[in-house]
Amino acid sequence: SYFVTQPPSMSLSPGETARLVCGGDKIGDKYVHWYQQQPGQAPVLVIYDETDRPSGIPGRFSGSKSGDTATLTITRVEAGDEAVYYCQVWHTAGDRHVVFGAGTMLTVL
Amino acid sequence: EVQLLDSGGTLVPPGGSLRLSCAASGFSFTSHAMTWVRQAPGKGLDWVASLTGTGRATYYSASVKGRFTISRDNSKNSLFLQLNDLRPEDTALYYCARSPQTYDSSGEVVYYFDYWGHGTLVTVSS
Repeated sequence: SYFVTQPPSMSLSPGETARLVCGGDKIGDKYVHWYQQQPGQAPVLVIYDETDRPSGIPGRFSGSKSGDTATLTITRVEAGDEAVYYCQVWHTAGDRHVVFGAGTMLTVL
Repeated sequence: EVQLLDSGGTLVPPGGSLRLSCAASGFSFTSHAMTWVRQAPGKGLDWVASLTGTGRATYYSASVKGRFTISRDNSKNSLFLQLNDLRPEDTALYYCARSPQTYDSSGEVVYYFDYWGHGTLVTVSS
């Protein structure tokens, strides 16, 4: 079955730019969506269809993709951005199924 | 305002059954696919099952196929997940999520999850 990979953790200081990556075979053929999950909370959609932001998500959050890697970029990182970020795709070849990455824990020092 | 209220989680012995519910409000329920996602304690997100707005098409993860059944009652704006033959590894917080559709580069319908319930805890233990 299909899988995507995310680095387990990233640490930054406030004001820096976070680039969280999500890799997968032929991920270029798939739409990638991103979720933020803060401790004890349900996930929140922050980017859908790779580059679109739901209403209420700050413009500091953006998505992109190049080759077999999708990237969630958070500029001017704040303490409130500290969370686990998950990428998600829908694999449509064969048995259709959803795939989540294992998540990247973003720590703001 | 979109609201999803999931309920029904409890402690169940291995081999037992349970039915989870998700009450939806604030949007056109029949126009949206819906999904269950679970999260084991201290672990990541794990997709369980999805079904289309009409309920005619369903999709399951390999780990639950044949044991869990996703369904909906559009007259009551409700989503359900029937869990049978429960195993300790099914212990998790179960979230329902609204699933708007989009299209991938090959024109296939795919879904993402824009609103989530707060989750209902299922514990499988003797």
